[in-house]
Amino acid sequence: KAGVTQTPRYLIKTRGQQVTLSCSPISGHRSVSWYQQTPGQGLQFLFEYFSETQRNKGNFPGRFSGRQFSNSRSEMNVSTLELGDSALYLCASSSLNTRGSYNEQFFGPGTRLTVL
Amino acid sequence: KNEVEQSPQNLTAQEGEFITINCSYSVGISALHWLQQHPGGGIVSLFMLSSGKKKHGRLIATINIQEKHSSLHITASHPRDSAVYICAVATGNQFYFGTGTSLTVIP
Repeated sequence: KAGVTQTPRYLIKTRGQQVTLSCSPISGHRSVSWYQQTPGQGLQFLFEYFSETQRNKGNFPGRFSGRQFSNSRSEMNVSTLELGDSALYLCASSSLNTRGSYNEQFFGPGTRLTVL
Repeated sequence: KNEVEQSPQNLTAQEGEFITINCSYSVGISALHWLQQHPGGGIVSLFMLSSGKKKHGRLIATINIQEKHSSLHITASHPRDSAVYICAVATGNQFYFGTGTSLTVIP
């Protein structure tokens, strides 16, 4: 099985611009979660999508949004970029167990975003 | 206030040593995850636990739900184990992460 893929791997933007990142989950996985990793804050949960619906959301401003398509591929969008948005953005896909909670998460390689 | 606390932050060991990394959490959880991150950023899920103990090769993870504590043990450590180990807890609708333990195993 192919792993989780993320595109692009590297991105440079300037303040005020917007950016869209893409994540393709492992085939058959319907849950996709997004995370931000920075040296100062570490890993932080952004949001999780399941069957095209946002099920869970972390404590990030509305500039951070996402969506999921019918083939489970997901995109996240950051509008009006700020310097502090420079980070590694990771997505992870998972299947759900019979209790409706997460199974093991499989992470993509990440997109490194630099905001100048 | 951090929902997940890990210790130690940094750890240096000689090859072959037994290593323990600890994780304490303050929220009710549905599962606890141990993750490994190598330089360059790639993250691998090592364990997902909701009770008891799991073992994969030289790695052992335990969790005590009553005490809200988990440990990751590495037996017979090897330089290829050098990485950052991250504890993460899943609640009903959130993931919380520890700040990670940076492990260096010296040959």
